[in-house]
Amino acid sequence: DTEVTQTPKHLVMGMTNKKSLKCEQHMGHRAMYWYKQKAKKPPELMFVYSYEKLSINESVPSRFSPECPNSSLLNLHLHALQPEDSALYLCASRSLHDTQYFGPGTRLTVL
Amino acid sequence: AQSVSQHNHHVILSEAASLELGCNYSYGGTVNLFWYVQYPGQHLQLLLKYFSGDPLVKGIKGFEAEFIKSKFSFNLRKPSVQWSDTAEYFCAVNTPHSGGGADGLTFGKGTHLIIQP
Repeated sequence: DTEVTQTPKHLVMGMTNKKSLKCEQHMGHRAMYWYKQKAKKPPELMFVYSYEKLSINESVPSRFSPECPNSSLLNLHLHALQPEDSALYLCASRSLHDTQYFGPGTRLTVL
Repeated sequence: AQSVSQHNHHVILSEAASLELGCNYSYGGTVNLFWYVQYPGQHLQLLLKYFSGDPLVKGIKGFEAEFIKSKFSFNLRKPSVQWSDTAEYFCAVNTPHSGGGADGLTFGKGTHLIIQP
C-alpha cells in the first residue's frame, strides 16, 4: 500500500482566517514533505520533515507553519494568507528506497 | 543545486505513435531520477525511477526510460501511446540519502502530452 491521504480536498479561506491542512501515511516512512503546485507548473518544495524534525525550509513565509505531531502525521497551519497563495498543496512521504509517494493534494483558494 | 530541463512543453500525438520525452539534469554528483505522471484531476503517480544499475528502466503502463550518464539525460519512451496517456509528465531528481537524511525532489517544468484518438 503506497497511500498518502490529505484533508480537506478543497479549502476556501479569507485572508484573516486560520486553517490547517492534514496529511497522513501509514507506510512507516520517516520523511514527509510539503510541496506547492500552481496551475500548469511543477511542484515546488516547501518543507521537509525527517524523523519528525524539520530538516528543510525552503524560505517559506511564516504565514505557513508546518507541524509533525508523529511519524504518520503532517500538518500545515495557514494564517493570514494572500490570494497568491492559492494553489494545490501536495504532501509526500519517502520510502527507505528514496522514492516519494504523493497524496492527492488540497486545492486552496484564498479570497 | 540540481536543475532539470524538459525540452518539450507541449506534445500532441496520434494514438499508436511512438513517444519520447526529453529530460536533462544538471548536478555534479550522484542523483536519483524519476518520471511522474499527473492525469487530469488526479495526483502525481510514479511512472518509473532510476537509482543505479541497468540504465534502461521499465515502469508502469508500458513506459521505459534510459539513463545516459555522459549526456546527463533520462528520456522517457513508450512505443505506442494510447488516448489514456493524455497527462502532464514530470521528470524529477534528488540526491541519494541513507540513514535519516532526506531532500526534496527538483522537478522539470513538465510536458503536457495530448493523445488524439
